[in-house]
Amino acid sequence: SQQGEEDPQALSIQEGENATMNCSYKTSINNLQWYRQNSGRGLVHLILIRSNEREKHSGRLRVTLDTSKKSSSLLITASRAADTASYFCATDLGITPLVFGKGTRLSVIA
Amino acid sequence: GAVVSQHPSRVICKSGTSVKIECRSLDFQATTMFWYRQFPKQSLMLMATSNEGSKATYEQGVEKDKFLINHASLTLSTLTVTSAHPEDSSFYICSARDLPGGQMNTEAFFGQGTRLTVV
Repeated sequence: SQQGEEDPQALSIQEGENATMNCSYKTSINNLQWYRQNSGRGLVHLILIRSNEREKHSGRLRVTLDTSKKSSSLLITASRAADTASYFCATDLGITPLVFGKGTRLSVIA
Repeated sequence: GAVVSQHPSRVICKSGTSVKIECRSLDFQATTMFWYRQFPKQSLMLMATSNEGSKATYEQGVEKDKFLINHASLTLSTLTVTSAHPEDSSFYICSARDLPGGQMNTEAFFGQGTRLTVV
């Protein structure tokens, strides 16, 4: 069953703007991961944040994790048209399979 | 980084036939692989966990006799959709994790996915 719930489900922004996506989950986790999926393709790992971390950066990506609220956010700064994709959060309870949220479909308009 | 290769990327088959999808870990040994199914604009739903040398573990609601999984080696898992029906048309994705020595907090690697269309 799905654990993560992303919002918004769909987001449309202009190129250069920032995009923020949120993810909520239900149980305790080892880590939370964000993935990107271009239409009809596999998933690409973006960033992993451990349960004892609160914020992590990778290039134009910034991820926060609030374990007390069981929520995470993904911020993409200075968005580009090439960032158009679906973004999923996935919770990791250990060496078990990842459980994915429903995803946010991001459209960046040039 | 680790690579997972999935083949074929697209397949069209007739109702009643069987289709085999392969998933290979190219530069690491994957004792466990995972098979997901994804409907259009939906999330990934775990179908089964494939364990090398043993039977797969299926999620509730997934027919094990219809979706046959074989994990014969540490680098290859196959999913066979048997007696395919149009409702089996979907996007199937495999995943593997490189977990040397049981290490946790590692990313998962995904195949490119297989678009199955049953006509």
